[in-house]
Amino acid sequence: ELKVEQNPLFLSMQEGKNYTIYCNYSTTSDRLYWYRQDPGKSLESLFVLLSNGAVKQEGRLMASLDTKARLSTLHITAAVHDLSATYFCAVDMGSNDMRFGAGTRLTVKP
Amino acid sequence: DGGITQSPKYLFRKEGQNVTLSCEQNLNHDAMYWYRQDPGQGLRLIYYSQIVNDFQKGDIAEGYSVSREKKESFPLTVTSAQKNPTAFYLCASSIGSGGWSYNEQFFGPGTRLTVL
Repeated sequence: ELKVEQNPLFLSMQEGKNYTIYCNYSTTSDRLYWYRQDPGKSLESLFVLLSNGAVKQEGRLMASLDTKARLSTLHITAAVHDLSATYFCAVDMGSNDMRFGAGTRLTVKP
Repeated sequence: DGGITQSPKYLFRKEGQNVTLSCEQNLNHDAMYWYRQDPGQGLRLIYYSQIVNDFQKGDIAEGYSVSREKKESFPLTVTSAQKNPTAFYLCASSIGSGGWSYNEQFFGPGTRLTVL
């Protein structure tokens, strides 16, 4: 059975600091997605990673994928309050089968 | 504007009632999905449909039913057999698996269902 594990599940950090969220998965896949969810809201697509070694950056967020290690990272650089949200990784198993991690709830404090 | 709409935004159900959640998309996507999210949890797949008149059970289909009579619409019925239906329900769509190399899903705004 596929497992998708994110850590940490809760992250409190100060503005200006850097941190990394990890997403580990237990079976072969070369497609992984990152989403953002604000409280009470829907999911917003952040990054689509489609191959080993893929790296995408948008503002203070950078995502990477290592399919051999079955690991994706979401790196936050110089955090700001607006980044406070819950971040989900999702592993594409093919045949419209997508498995989500439990989410990392990020709080950025002034 | 292309997108996914869900209605209602909030829904209250009495025990023993069936309720239907609406999901419509105008993205011309073939595939549509229903997920359930409990507080502080990730998403769990209820049902998905790759094409009109066809749908498949996800991990937690018991107590739910769906139909896919039109490409644009994928309504979810929460039946009285679902013992703990209070949750946030999200509908999503994607282009579809027919030869596409990836399956990015786009989400609607969600319906929050509460059982009274």
